[in-house]
Amino acid sequence: AQSVTQPDIHITVSEGASLELRCNYSYGATPYLFWYVQSPGQGLQLLLKYFSGDTLVQGIKGFEAEFKRSQSSFNLRKPSVHWSDAAEYFCAVGDQAGTALIFGKGTTLSVSS
Amino acid sequence: GAVVSQHPSRVICKSGTSVKIECRSLDFQATTMFWYRQFPKQSLMLMATSNEGSKATYEQGVEKDKFLINHASLTLSTLTVTSAHPEDSSFYICSASIRNTGELFFGEGSRLTVL
Repeated sequence: AQSVTQPDIHITVSEGASLELRCNYSYGATPYLFWYVQSPGQGLQLLLKYFSGDTLVQGIKGFEAEFKRSQSSFNLRKPSVHWSDAAEYFCAVGDQAGTALIFGKGTTLSVSS
Repeated sequence: GAVVSQHPSRVICKSGTSVKIECRSLDFQATTMFWYRQFPKQSLMLMATSNEGSKATYEQGVEKDKFLINHASLTLSTLTVTSAHPEDSSFYICSASIRNTGELFFGEGSRLTVL
């Protein structure tokens, strides 16, 4: 069955420190992979996506993610976290463009000063 | 980027009444729209997929008679929660797929509270 696992429920990072949020997927075909961010009571904002090509994907707000097929992973990274990055982060997978996505349970990011 | 608008953003209703939530693609035609439900501090669960002009496809466990979905045009899909109960209280989010590219965009969500 298709699934997305985000092993970390809650992560706290100091402002200015680097960040890595983990995402593992289980998918039969070549996956379309996404990272979304959600602020409290808000909808989802797309950070970045991977369909094919270069496995290191650059997104908005200084985020990047790397697709590693051998590890079935699509981890999100940011070299220097800002207090405004505190939010809920969701990894999602789909089987092609325009189809419904399967979401992970999310990782809550807190940023300490 | 493309904009998907949901209305209302917040709604409070009495138990037993029906509530309609609209999802509009403002600047593109949406071949397909998806409705998700999100419980507090949890992930998004797909409820149904709607294609313009045809019946919605519901995920297992979702009551189609309770959650009525209509996709009457390429820019509008509606979710009606019928005979709402407190357990229907949740955050409902729609997403729309652009007709030509298949790219997905999400609405801002609608928080339903049933008293």
